Amino acid sequence: GESVGLHLPTLSVQEGDNSIINCAYSNSASDYFIWYKQESGKGPQFIIDIRSNMDKRQGQRVTVLLNKTVKHLSLQIAATQPGDSAVYFCAETSMEYGNKLVFGAGTILRVKS
Amino acid sequence: EAGVTQSPTHLIKTRGQQATLRCSPISGHTSVYWYQQALGLGLQFLLWYDEGEERNRGNFPPRFSGRQFPNYSSELNVNALELEDSALYLCASSLGQLNQPQHFGDGTRLSIL
Repeated sequence: GESVGLHLPTLSVQEGDNSIINCAYSNSASDYFIWYKQESGKGPQFIIDIRSNMDKRQGQRVTVLLNKTVKHLSLQIAATQPGDSAVYFCAETSMEYGNKLVFGAGTILRVKS
Repeated sequence: EAGVTQSPTHLIKTRGQQATLRCSPISGHTSVYWYQQALGLGLQFLLWYDEGEERNRGNFPPRFSGRQFPNYSSELNVNALELEDSALYLCASSLGQLNQPQHFGDGTRLSIL
């Protein structure tokens, strides 16, 4: 079936360090990708997006990298803070998905103070 | 700017009953999406409505249905509830074009007893 990043790893980082969260996607035709952050008891919060005609996009303290050759997406968080602790999901979509987002299983980020 | 709002926050039903969940999109957004987040299954796409029409449907049985009203708000209806329907139901909204960021509400927690 459809899948993006089936594993649910946990990443533990020290406060102030940089974090890198990885995601493998399965559909080579996917052309739009989004990273979401979900805190306990809340819905997914949009972090950053990237289209397939780009390799890199930067936001405030976050950078998304897209490697279409190996179908890999990563989210880099600079100077990780305790408030960054959450589950992070990557999501992909394409014309054939018709605006449907296909989500990965998620990565738990734990920030140690 | 108000975000996506969903009601109720929690809903408790018994098997065989019917549930109605409601969603108000961000002002200016014409597309509304419904996703199911069940424990261990991640986020699964249910439905996409735009300009009052159903545009895409996920792999769910017909007892999951919905509609979008002229003011772009939406309802998700689940008939003949089953135990496995217990999940967090998330609504998202976006501008109507393809490949636009989807912004989520905090969901309705549906529990089936």
